[in-house]
Amino acid sequence: GNSVTQMEGPVTLSEEAFLTINCTYTATGYPSLFWYVQYPGEGLQLLLKATKADDKGSNKGFEATYRKETTSFHLEKGSVQVSDSAVYFCALFNQGAQKLVFGQGTRLTINP
Amino acid sequence: DAGITQSPRYKITETGRQVTLMCHQTWSHSYMFWYRQDLGHGLRLIYYSAAADITDKGEVPDGYVVSRSKTENFPLTLESATRSQTSVYFCASSESIGTAVCTFGSGTRLTVV
Repeated sequence: GNSVTQMEGPVTLSEEAFLTINCTYTATGYPSLFWYVQYPGEGLQLLLKATKADDKGSNKGFEATYRKETTSFHLEKGSVQVSDSAVYFCALFNQGAQKLVFGQGTRLTINP
Repeated sequence: DAGITQSPRYKITETGRQVTLMCHQTWSHSYMFWYRQDLGHGLRLIYYSAAADITDKGEVPDGYVVSRSKTENFPLTLESATRSQTSVYFCASSESIGTAVCTFGSGTRLTVV
């Protein structure tokens, strides 16, 4: 079946630190991969996506590369800000299943 | 206002009562989804709909009922609420399942006492 595994949270960093949130997946075929972000009190918003192997999605300084050989889609940012504090969800979409499958989410807190 | 709106934002209900959560979108997106968000589980799909009058079960459909008589509305009903249904519920819509990009509402926090 299709599943997504994210690194355990919560993650706490200082401002300007380097961020990595790990995400690995299991899927049949060739899924599309996504990172969604949920700010406090809000719904999820699409942060970035990649639709095929070796694609790099990027937005707001965040990046993630679709690695088929390691079935991974790790989220990175070079210098985090307090405003990046949120819950981050990795997700995959498999055309056959026709629905998004989410990881459990990783809560990120950035301290000034 | 354009967008996806959920109501109510907060709801407290008693065990055994029926409660309906509303979801309305203004884009005429074909696909709509209901998820529940629980600590340690992330988001789990309850039901989804590909178009008006077409609905299908997701990962955790038991105890829930949906309908989609109009494209823009996708209400979720808990027929007889249980404490295990205490959760945050998110509605989402998508223009095309091929893009798989969903737009989410702000959520309904439901507490069953």
